[in-house]
Amino acid sequence: KAGVTQTPRYLIKTRGQQVTLSCSPISGHRSVSWYQQTPGQGLQFLFEYFSETQRNKGNFPGRFSGRQFSNSRSEMNVSTLELGDSALYLCASKRELGAPYEQYFGPGTRLTVT
Amino acid sequence: AQTVTQSQPEMSVQEAETVTLSCTYDTSESDYYLFWYKQPPSRQMILVIRQEAYKQQNATENRFSVNFQKAAKSFSLKISDSQLGDAAMYFCAYQGAQKLVFGQGTRLTINP
Repeated sequence: KAGVTQTPRYLIKTRGQQVTLSCSPISGHRSVSWYQQTPGQGLQFLFEYFSETQRNKGNFPGRFSGRQFSNSRSEMNVSTLELGDSALYLCASKRELGAPYEQYFGPGTRLTVT
Repeated sequence: AQTVTQSQPEMSVQEAETVTLSCTYDTSESDYYLFWYKQPPSRQMILVIRQEAYKQQNATENRFSVNFQKAAKSFSLKISDSQLGDAAMYFCAYQGAQKLVFGQGTRLTINP
């Protein structure tokens, strides 16, 4: 079974631009979560989608948004990029919402904002 | 809010030796799951082991085992017979009713 895939793997953007990241979950997984990883803040939860609906949200500004499609694929959008948005963005999928299902992570998208 | 604390930013061990990584958490939930994830230099987050809070028996996966102390809210990871491929960042994570919460990570170095 194929793992979680994320595209693109690397991205360089300029401050003020917007960016869209894509995540394809493992086949059969219906929950997709997004995380931001930075050296200073560690791994922080952005949001979780299930059946095309946002079910949980972390403490990030409204510039960060996402959506999920009927095939469970998810996209994350960041508008008006700031230097502090430079990070590794990880997507994770699991079969259903909540525990006990463990999450499986993709390889991440490395975003650099200049 | 749930929190996860890993008090050891870095650890090192000789190849073939045993090492224990510490993790404590804070929660008011009674039903939850705990995980250890490994993140090698490739940045791919890999699930190492999981523990259900309702189970008293400690989880084991080959050379990896945990010491789960529910009352103390402690969840340590023991790696036996350390191998060079075990070198990575290790994250302890808590999953309750909602989101997965991660600790800050422990960087493990294996000395040949």
